[in-house]
Amino acid sequence: GQNIDQPTEMTATEGAIVQINCTYQTSGFNGLFWYQQHAGEAPTFLSYNVLDGLEEKGRFSSFLSRSKGYSYLLLKELQMKDSASYLCAVSRYNQGGKLIFGQGTELSVKP
Amino acid sequence: EAEVAQSPRYKITEKSQAVAFWCDPISGHATLYWYRQILGQGPELLVQFQDESVVDDSQLPKDRFSAERLKGVDSTLKIQPAELGDSAMYLCASSLEQISYEQYFGPGTRLTVT
Repeated sequence: GQNIDQPTEMTATEGAIVQINCTYQTSGFNGLFWYQQHAGEAPTFLSYNVLDGLEEKGRFSSFLSRSKGYSYLLLKELQMKDSASYLCAVSRYNQGGKLIFGQGTELSVKP
Repeated sequence: EAEVAQSPRYKITEKSQAVAFWCDPISGHATLYWYRQILGQGPELLVQFQDESVVDDSQLPKDRFSAERLKGVDSTLKIQPAELGDSAMYLCASSLEQISYEQYFGPGTRLTVT
């Protein structure tokens, strides 16, 4: 089977940095994805990691450690519009493009 | 910018009634996914198509749910009869290929069963 864990909710201050962690246990791990989802809207793609290390894209960075089954999403210079749910998802080699999502982390950015 | 289209955006129905959702993927995307998202949870795959063929429907409750993609373009997901537990957001996504790393999601259909 597979298990993906991420915190249910987090709160941070505008302008600060926040790190959202995701741990996973799955056989045939291929890659890890982060999606952002605002309330009532569709998820939008943020990042994809298949190799160990840090991928930086503007204010957002994502890290993966395959040996530890661990990833994090780092958001810098937080803005109010970053308040959303952040979904961690994994893909497996033998399941095509199917994504297995965690429950999501609800991030609230306060002034 | 090309987008995945879904309709209706909202649907309220009584239990035991039939409902249908429609999805039009981004032009040229061979792979189409239907996900169900219960409030407070992540999306769960119901069915995956590659062109007109079903690749994975292992989590689709086949006694009441059906999905088709007859010409390998747009797709319909049907529930008959609807149950209270089916209340959720139904998301359609598409990607260029099966192993393509980026899936593009449509706006979803919010279903409420009363």
